[in-house]
Amino acid sequence: DILVTQTPPSLSVTPGQPASISCKSTQSLLETDGKTYLSWYRQKAGQPPQLLIYEVSNRFSGVPDRFSGSESGTDFTLKISRVEAEDVGIYYCMQGKQVPWTFGQGTKVEIK
Amino acid sequence: EVQLVQSGGDLVQPGGSLRLSCAASGFSFSSYWMTWVRQTPGKGPEWVAHINQDGSATRYVASVSGRFTVSRDNARNSLFLQMNTLRAEDTAVYYCVKYLGRAFASWGQGSLVTVSS
Repeated sequence: DILVTQTPPSLSVTPGQPASISCKSTQSLLETDGKTYLSWYRQKAGQPPQLLIYEVSNRFSGVPDRFSGSESGTDFTLKISRVEAEDVGIYYCMQGKQVPWTFGQGTKVEIK
Repeated sequence: EVQLVQSGGDLVQPGGSLRLSCAASGFSFSSYWMTWVRQTPGKGPEWVAHINQDGSATRYVASVSGRFTVSRDNARNSLFLQMNTLRAEDTAVYYCVKYLGRAFASWGQGSLVTVSS
């Protein structure tokens, strides 16, 4: 199975400041169709996860542009340019290159 | 608006069976792969199974293969997960999810499955 490792496990951020979460895959997530299948989710307490970013850097419908995704080989990054109070939650990355799709361990984001 | 409304979660004894259902609306159900994802409280999500548009192709995570069966009824816009020989470690909230490519775009509200004697 492809493993994805997220860091840091938790993050405390002052509103208005940037935040960054990393995800490292044990294998390339580049598929033969030319797409790289790494997505990001945020889960708020008591809710299912919500898709933020798919295929590394594509924002899902309705996701604010303060969220962005990037890659460097097997290293992936989710950046929040200016954290807002509503951004609290647990963030997960997920690889969709090879079944079973697998999630990172999660990063808990708190607001200072 | 995409809606996935789930039903069927319950308390079941080890070795028992349960069937989860998911009623879809707001999109062309028969055009999409669908999936089930589960999550144990305090842990990350785990992909469980998926099914292609006409139901001819399915895949499962190793821990449920041979015990769980995913199916769909496109005429009724419904997705199902038949769970047999349930174990304590199957206890989780199960989500019905619509794909966007290979990302999990839309989620149901979740169904709690508790396996305990």
